[in-house]
Amino acid sequence: ELKVEQNPLFLSMQEGKNYTIYCNYSTTSDRLYWYRQDPGKSLESLFVLLSNGAVKQEGRLMASLDTKARLSTLHITAAVHDLSATYFCAVAGNQFYFGTGTSLTVIP
Amino acid sequence: GAVVSQHPSWVICKSGTSVKIECRSLDFQATTMFWYRQFPKQSLMLMATSNEGSKATYEQGVEKDKFLINHASLTLSTLTVTSAHPEDSSFYICSAEGGGITSGRRETQYFGPGTRLLVL
Repeated sequence: ELKVEQNPLFLSMQEGKNYTIYCNYSTTSDRLYWYRQDPGKSLESLFVLLSNGAVKQEGRLMASLDTKARLSTLHITAAVHDLSATYFCAVAGNQFYFGTGTSLTVIP
Repeated sequence: GAVVSQHPSWVICKSGTSVKIECRSLDFQATTMFWYRQFPKQSLMLMATSNEGSKATYEQGVEKDKFLINHASLTLSTLTVTSAHPEDSSFYICSAEGGGITSGRRETQYFGPGTRLLVL
């Protein structure tokens, strides 16, 4: 069974700072997704990474994929309060395998 | 883009009653839909894979007689929680797949807004 681990699980950071969330997975896959979930809401799609070396950026978030290392990163630049949410990565195999989630709180 | 709706958004019911949750793909046909449940502060747990016109495939540990899934059309899947109990209280999220399986790998999933179930 494919396992997906995220690190860290909880993250509290000040506005304006940078940080990276890591997503490691256990078996080969070349399709990785990042989602955002606000409290009480469903998932919002952020990025789809389809190949080794893929990098995508939207606003203050940038995601990358290294299929050889089985690692994806979600980098936060100059965090703002609106980014506070839980972030999940998911890897596509014979089903979608979700990571444990990273709960991000951005404080003034 | 692809939109998936769920109905209802919130439901509160008494213990022992049954609750039906609908999942619809509004602007595309979905051969496959998925049902997840999520407990507070936890990740999504896949309950079952629903295929149009055939029986659902349930994940290990999910009681198929308790969580009845019907996928009667390419745009609608329903999840019925039968004889609900307080431990069934959870956030239920469906997703619809945008394409089929490619080389053994699932395609992009579009998620519904979720249904929060509270069983008293």
